[in-house]
Amino acid sequence: SYVLTQPPSVSVAPGQTATVTCGGNNIGSKSVHWYQQKPGQAPVLVVYDDSDRPSGIPERFSGSNSGNTATLTISRVEAGDEADYYCQVWDSSSDHYVLFGGGTKLTVL
Amino acid sequence: EVQLLESGGGLVQPGGSLRLSCAGSGFTFSTYAMSWVRQAPGKGLEWVSGISVRAGSTYYADSVKGRFTFSRDNSKNTVYLQMNSLRAEDTAVYYCAKNVRGSIDAFDIWGQGTMVTVSS
Repeated sequence: SYVLTQPPSVSVAPGQTATVTCGGNNIGSKSVHWYQQKPGQAPVLVVYDDSDRPSGIPERFSGSNSGNTATLTISRVEAGDEADYYCQVWDSSSDHYVLFGGGTKLTVL
Repeated sequence: EVQLLESGGGLVQPGGSLRLSCAGSGFTFSTYAMSWVRQAPGKGLEWVSGISVRAGSTYYADSVKGRFTFSRDNSKNTVYLQMNSLRAEDTAVYYCAKNVRGSIDAFDIWGQGTMVTVSS
């Protein structure tokens, strides 16, 4: 079955750029979506269809997808960006259909 | 304001049943796919089930197939998740989520979540 692999944690200093990766076999052929989840809160969609941003999401959040890796990039990181980030795809070839990555904890130093 | 409001969570014994409801407001409910996503305590997100605009297209994760039933009533702007034969591993916060389009893709609106605890 299809698997999405994320690093468990990423650390970055304020003002720097954070990159969160999501690996999967030929993931570049799928649409990837990204969510931010802070403790005790519901997830929030920050990037969809690889690189589109919902209204209200800062331009600091961007996405790309090619080959076997999709990437969420957060520029000029702020303390408020500290959260768990999940990637997600729809995989019609799998009985799981909707897959989430294991999540990445972003720590702002 | 676009909003989803879940209800129906609670404590249930193993083997028992529970029905979750999710009422949508602030958008044309019948034109969007909907899903349930759960999160066990301290764990990641797990998609449970989804229903497309055409209610005949319903999808389930292997872990709940045959035990859970997802339905929608567009006249009431509400979706339901009937959960039978509940197991301890079904314990989680259950989120109702709206898809960006009529098919199951990205989830742009989430409810606040309702806790389901399966325990004797």
